[in-house]
Amino acid sequence: DIQMTQSPSSLSASVGDRVTITCRTTQYINDYLNWYQQKPGTAPKLLIYGASSLQNGVPPRFSGGGSGTDFTLTISSLQPEDFAIYYCQQSYNTPVTFGPGTRLDIK
Amino acid sequence: QVQLVQSGAEVKNPGASVRVSCKASGYILTSYTAHWVRQAPGQSLEWIGWINTNNGNTKYSQKFQDRVTITRDASARTAFMELSSLRSEDTAVYYCANLFYDVLTGYQFFDNWGQGALVTVSS
Repeated sequence: DIQMTQSPSSLSASVGDRVTITCRTTQYINDYLNWYQQKPGTAPKLLIYGASSLQNGVPPRFSGGGSGTDFTLTISSLQPEDFAIYYCQQSYNTPVTFGPGTRLDIK
Repeated sequence: QVQLVQSGAEVKNPGASVRVSCKASGYILTSYTAHWVRQAPGQSLEWIGWINTNNGNTKYSQKFQDRVTITRDASARTAFMELSSLRSEDTAVYYCANLFYDVLTGYQFFDNWGQGALVTVSS
């Protein structure tokens, strides 16, 4: 199975800040990497697919990058509704696997 | 827009089985894969398996291979996940999700999720 790590595991930031979350995989996955946002008590919500493609309806302050084994999710200007947990997920092969998550809190 | 509605919370004794359902409504292709993913309290997400709702083909994670059965009722647009020999570590929210597959790029992602069903295993 492809293992995934995320850094940092938690992050405190303020509204208006620019933040970047990193995801690394133990194997090459090209750009088959997705990002999800999860708020307490709700299902994950797709933000980015194919490493850098924005899902319909997701604000453009979210962006993704990377290829191979190293990926990033950037929020250009944090909004109050962005405080949540973020997960990366690889779809390169089965089983699909998720990263451990990055908790983004209000400073 | 597809909506996935899951059955409610369950409390089970260790050693028992649980069956969670997932009903799809709205626009839907005649054939799609319904995946099951679980999330233990405070933990990340873990893929369990999937079923092709058209032909009934299934694929399971090796971790759950011996204990999970995923089925579907195509006419009712409902998928089911049954997990047996429950233990306390199986306490989690169980989600169903649709996997979208882009044939041009090969990208696959979960674009629709059910609301989740909490399964608690406790004596």
